[in-house]
Amino acid sequence: TQLLEQSPQFLSIQEGENLTVYCNSSSVFSSLQWYRQEPGEGPVLLVTVVTGGEVKKLKRLTFQFGDARKDSSLHITAAQPGDTGLYLCAGLYTSGTYKYIFGTGTRLKVLA
Amino acid sequence: EAGVAQSPRYKIIEKRQSVAFWCNPISGHATLYWYQQILGQGPKLLIQFQNNGVVDDSQLPKDRFSAERLKGVDSTLKIQPAKLEDSAVYLCASSPGQRLLGTDTQYFGPGTRLTVL
Repeated sequence: TQLLEQSPQFLSIQEGENLTVYCNSSSVFSSLQWYRQEPGEGPVLLVTVVTGGEVKKLKRLTFQFGDARKDSSLHITAAQPGDTGLYLCAGLYTSGTYKYIFGTGTRLKVLA
Repeated sequence: EAGVAQSPRYKIIEKRQSVAFWCNPISGHATLYWYQQILGQGPKLLIQFQNNGVVDDSQLPKDRFSAERLKGVDSTLKIQPAKLEDSAVYLCASSPGQRLLGTDTQYFGPGTRLTVL
């Protein structure tokens, strides 16, 4: 069974602080996606990383895919209250099947 | 472009009752997914369709859950009979099915929040 563990599970920080969320697995993924989900809504895709070692930036968000494609990180610089939400990583597993495995989630709250 | 539509948005039922959820994916999307999301956790895949065929239903509790995707478009997910532990948000997602690229993007609906009393 493929598992994606995220850490930390909860994070409460002040506006302007930096943070990093980690997504780890023992399985190799073809690609990895990061989503943000707000209450009462479905997850919304932030980024997809495909190549081992790949780094992508989206304004204040930096995403990195591990060299072995088993882990990823999301770094937010100067967090804002609008960043509050549930952050989910999802790995695309294509060995013998083709499906997305979601991580356990990181709930972020940014205080003004 | 219209997004993924789901109905109802909320449902409250007694245990042992039946319930059905409906999903209308984005037009032209070949792949449709149903996920179960327990409060505060990541979504768990229940079933995945490619057009109107089932690709993966390994985590679907088949003694009580069923799903179909008629004509490869809309889909319904049914629970019969419901248990207390079925209380969750049921998310439907669709994707174009661009498997060769390895970046098949899923688009999620708003979900149906089910409460089983």
